[in-house]
Amino acid sequence: VQLVESGGGLVKPGGSLRLSCVGSGFSVSTYTMNWARHAPGKGLEWVSTISNSGTYIYYADSVRGRFTISRDNAKNSVYLQMNNLRVDDTAFYYCARGRLTTNWFDPWGQGTLVTVSS
Amino acid sequence: EIVLTQSPGTLSLSPGERAALSCRASQNINSDLAWYQHRPGQAPRLLIYDASNRATGIPARFSGSGSGADFTLTISSLEPQDSAVYYCQQRNSWPRAFGQGTKVEIK
Repeated sequence: VQLVESGGGLVKPGGSLRLSCVGSGFSVSTYTMNWARHAPGKGLEWVSTISNSGTYIYYADSVRGRFTISRDNAKNSVYLQMNNLRVDDTAFYYCARGRLTTNWFDPWGQGTLVTVSS
Repeated sequence: EIVLTQSPGTLSLSPGERAALSCRASQNINSDLAWYQHRPGQAPRLLIYDASNRATGIPARFSGSGSGADFTLTISSLEPQDSAVYYCQQRNSWPRAFGQGTKVEIK
């Protein structure tokens, strides 16, 4: 079971990025999937969650209205579209599978770095 | 919104010593709490779920206890590879907040 994130990079404030997370060794369609982030010098922060069907979606207040989570079960993938990025969005972004029925984050991917700077 | 407060901020102990990390919730969350380990440069890892259940492959020296609003992660005998930041997380309600973390340093 593995998760691999991609799509991070350097972007200017106000810019956009789309992160991807591809699962292997399991079917993403069965699981709730999550994004979390770790900013330099700060703790882990939950960002967004999408249910296995895509029916239920949740966002942290800090990203609601700017970020959009989605999934493509045919591609065994989950995405995070990030618009109107701010300097304080700079962080490693992690994708994590949710345990069945409880959604504890297990496992996590290695992360992708997003740097927002002018 | 549920707030999780972890203490202490940093714990500096020698190999073989016992570590006790605290996580306090701002309201009753039953047993809806997990602990994660985050080593520098690595992916976070689930250690304990539902307050007291060890995740697959987690050594027996890690244990979790508590319910309601007060929880503890205990590492019975520290090893050098336990140097990391440890986070608690609740799933009782949205948002799925993490605590601010406890850094464990091995002398």
